[in-house]
Amino acid sequence: DSGVTQTPKHLITATGQRVTLRCSPRSGDLSVYWYQQSLDQGLQFLIQYYNGEERAKGNILERFSAQQFPDLHSELNLSSLELGDSALYFCASSVNVYNEQFFGPGTRLTVL
Amino acid sequence: GENVEQHPSTLSVQEGDSAVIKCTYSDSASNYFPWYKQELGKRPQLIIDIRSNVGEKKDQRIAVTLNKTAKHFSLHITETQPEDSAVYFCAAKGGYNKLIFGAGTRLAVHP
Repeated sequence: DSGVTQTPKHLITATGQRVTLRCSPRSGDLSVYWYQQSLDQGLQFLIQYYNGEERAKGNILERFSAQQFPDLHSELNLSSLELGDSALYFCASSVNVYNEQFFGPGTRLTVL
Repeated sequence: GENVEQHPSTLSVQEGDSAVIKCTYSDSASNYFPWYKQELGKRPQLIIDIRSNVGEKKDQRIAVTLNKTAKHFSLHITETQPEDSAVYFCAAKGGYNKLIFGAGTRLAVHP
């Protein structure tokens, strides 16, 4: 157990819908990262927050947005869902922007 | 842009043999290189990492080497065991600590 928690574990929804994925970082970690892993694919960096502020963006679609709250938990919002958005979404956290990242268990999103 | 290439994509070895996975990165500013092991349906787990001021690091049966000049780094697993079977990802640190991952290597260790 890495100490990073993610909810829900599984999510099944329909095309066109909107969902919110939640991540709580390890105690003491200020930085949160979101990654997408499609079937048989590698891990694609989406976005990073540090102490509430967005720090870096990867290949994140405009339909996707995220935020980090004052208590440091983060939410990833996915809207106008398409079949191709089906994937595992991982959150990771680190103490700061220099330290190793620890991954949460992931949320498996299935869009039907 | 930032890119990490990883080879091979699949690797099959007999129990007790060694396994080597190689990665090449493009961003010469990268200074941190972690390796993650991912079992089916589970989270990536950090197994070893190396920073650019070190050429080699070892932890029991696992070692990582780094050649900054050539922008290559490799994972070496000795005396492989069936429980080593998993997908292994290399990564290089990009700007703001984001990790750029390789495509992964599926390692199968046969008893």
